[in-house]
Amino acid sequence: NFMLTQPHSVSESPGKTVTISCTRSSGSIASNYVQWYQQRPGSAPTTVIYEDNQRPSGVPDRFSGSIDSSSNSASLTISGLKTEDEADYYCQSYDSSTLWVFGGGTKLTVL
Amino acid sequence: QVQLVESGGGVVQPGRSLRLSCAASGFTFSSYGMHWVRQAPGKGLEWVAVIWYDGSNKYYADSVKGRFTISRDNSKNTLYLQMNSLRAEDTAVYYCSVESWLHWGQGTLVTVSS
Repeated sequence: NFMLTQPHSVSESPGKTVTISCTRSSGSIASNYVQWYQQRPGSAPTTVIYEDNQRPSGVPDRFSGSIDSSSNSASLTISGLKTEDEADYYCQSYDSSTLWVFGGGTKLTVL
Repeated sequence: QVQLVESGGGVVQPGRSLRLSCAASGFTFSSYGMHWVRQAPGKGLEWVAVIWYDGSNKYYADSVKGRFTISRDNSKNTLYLQMNSLRAEDTAVYYCSVESWLHWGQGTLVTVSS
């Protein structure tokens, strides 16, 4: 079984860039796609990145995803931060034994 | 556009049953696998179950295996989650999502309490 570990919280100022990490405990991060979800308080999750680095239509290009095999982690980078980006962010991936796994979530504060 | 609408949540006593529904529209429902995901109050997301596009395969999280059953009716474009032997720890908002993970419903709240 594998786990995905995210920082509990991050904060940054408007207009800056923030990166949220997601580290896979076992198995290669590159072996299965990683998705990223944004969840604002009281709302359902929405997808901001799928298949490691793809943006759904309607998601601004300020959001980008990447994977790094050397650290066995995925990253979500948000540039030009806006107050509306303040939310919880979850990563998610898969393997054939554990099936679908979510990271614990990262609370992004834009202050 | 893709729309997923969950229903069937409510307050139920421990040990009782509840069936959730997820009505799908805006895409060819019968061509896609579907997931249930839940979120306990103040907690993170937890994958619950998946069903293949034709219902041929179903998989469950260990936390619900043997108690929950996922099913679908492709003629009605509807996904179901039959939840039996409910426990307090099953209290959560339950979301349905398409296999691509690109679309989510708004969720339905299940509260298990005496």
